[in-house]
Amino acid sequence: DAGVTQSPTHLIKTRGQHVTLRCSPISGHKSVSWYQQVLGQGPQFIFQYYEKEERGRGNFPDRFSARQFPNYSSELNVNALLLGDSALYLCASSFSGRGETEAFFGQGTRLTVV
Amino acid sequence: AQKVTQAQTEISVVEKEDVTLDCVYETRDTTYYLFWYKQPPSGELVFLIRRNSFDEQNEISGRYSWNFQKSTSSFNFTITASQVVDSAVYFCALSEGRDDKIIFGKGTRLHILP
Repeated sequence: DAGVTQSPTHLIKTRGQHVTLRCSPISGHKSVSWYQQVLGQGPQFIFQYYEKEERGRGNFPDRFSARQFPNYSSELNVNALLLGDSALYLCASSFSGRGETEAFFGQGTRLTVV
Repeated sequence: AQKVTQAQTEISVVEKEDVTLDCVYETRDTTYYLFWYKQPPSGELVFLIRRNSFDEQNEISGRYSWNFQKSTSSFNFTITASQVVDSAVYFCALSEGRDDKIIFGKGTRLHILP
């Protein structure tokens, strides 16, 4: 069975550009969450979507947005990129969308903003 | 407010030694979930264990063991007879169960020296 898949794996963007990151959850999982991990830190929660509805939002500016599609895949969009947005972006999926079931993480997208 | 503290930033031990990674958490909820994840250099977060707040039984899985003590809000992780392949960053994390938001500690980088 395929795990959580993210694309692309690496990305280089220029300040001011926008970026779209993609995530496909494990088959049968209806919840997708996004995390940002800057170097040397733990992952920080950005968004959670469950059944195409936003269920949670972390402390990130409005430049960050996301959506979930009918097939439960998800996109994370970041506008007006800043150097500080350089990070590993991780996607996680789970069945119930609540901590009672395991969240499985993808391999991440490493974004570099220059 | 929820918080996870991993006071050990970096630990180095010689192969075959035992090592304990400390984790202290803060939450006001009575229902919550605690996790440990391993992050090898590839970046993917590998799930190791989930423990709910009502189950204080310690758990052993091969060379890994976890000690959960609600009285001290700690969830420590011990690797017995460490191996070089155990070298990674280890994250302790907390979820309050209402959603998939996981609060991560800053991680402990573990070096197992041959």
